[in-house]
Amino acid sequence: GAGVSQTPSNKVTEKGKYVELRCDPISGHTALYWYRQSLGQGPEFLIYFQGTGAADDSGLPNDRFFAVRPEGSVSTLKIQRTERGDSAVYLCASSPSASNTEAFFGQGTRLTVV
Amino acid sequence: AQSVAQPEDQVNVAEGNPLTVKCTYSVSGNPYLFWYVQYPNRGLQFLLKYITGDNLVKGSYGFEAEFNKSQTSFHLKKPSALVSDSALYFCALQTTGRRALTFGSGTRLQVQP
Repeated sequence: GAGVSQTPSNKVTEKGKYVELRCDPISGHTALYWYRQSLGQGPEFLIYFQGTGAADDSGLPNDRFFAVRPEGSVSTLKIQRTERGDSAVYLCASSPSASNTEAFFGQGTRLTVV
Repeated sequence: AQSVAQPEDQVNVAEGNPLTVKCTYSVSGNPYLFWYVQYPNRGLQFLLKYITGDNLVKGSYGFEAEFNKSQTSFHLKKPSALVSDSALYFCALQTTGRRALTFGSGTRLQVQP
């Protein structure tokens, strides 16, 4: 079956611009996560959705970052007024509703802010 | 605060030899521990997890890991390495009541033919 799909795979934007990154989770997975991976580091948690609601947004670095999942499936990560330090690979993952289950990751969106 | 440490940036091993990739953790409460592998241009793939029970956990591709509570470690092992095992390996931690994973910084495994 289809895995987690993220689009675009690459995004180059100018400093100060607004970007949206999209994630299509595995069908039927109610849990959805966003992580950010900088070069040479492990993924860092940003936000977790259970259904339509953000159950844990403690990893969002500041108010320029926002994510939505209006119908409990597709999610969009939105970054306003991008900065060069936002450059990273943004990873999306999904999992079934039960806790302690493994997450399935997409290939990520590589964001470069120039 | 919880954390995961992978003390080795890179591990080199000859094909056919046993391999170990180290992971230690720090957490209050019971940990749930995971290993993921990342191949070039591919997403993170789940290898194995420890939730409770037997301290030796077996996973995909012949990998296993041993949970050691007294040493707060969860080292990844394989009896006989393959060149195709060369990749970036991440240890991750989850705790009761929180779904977010805390990842280590990763260890690059290089298996030489």
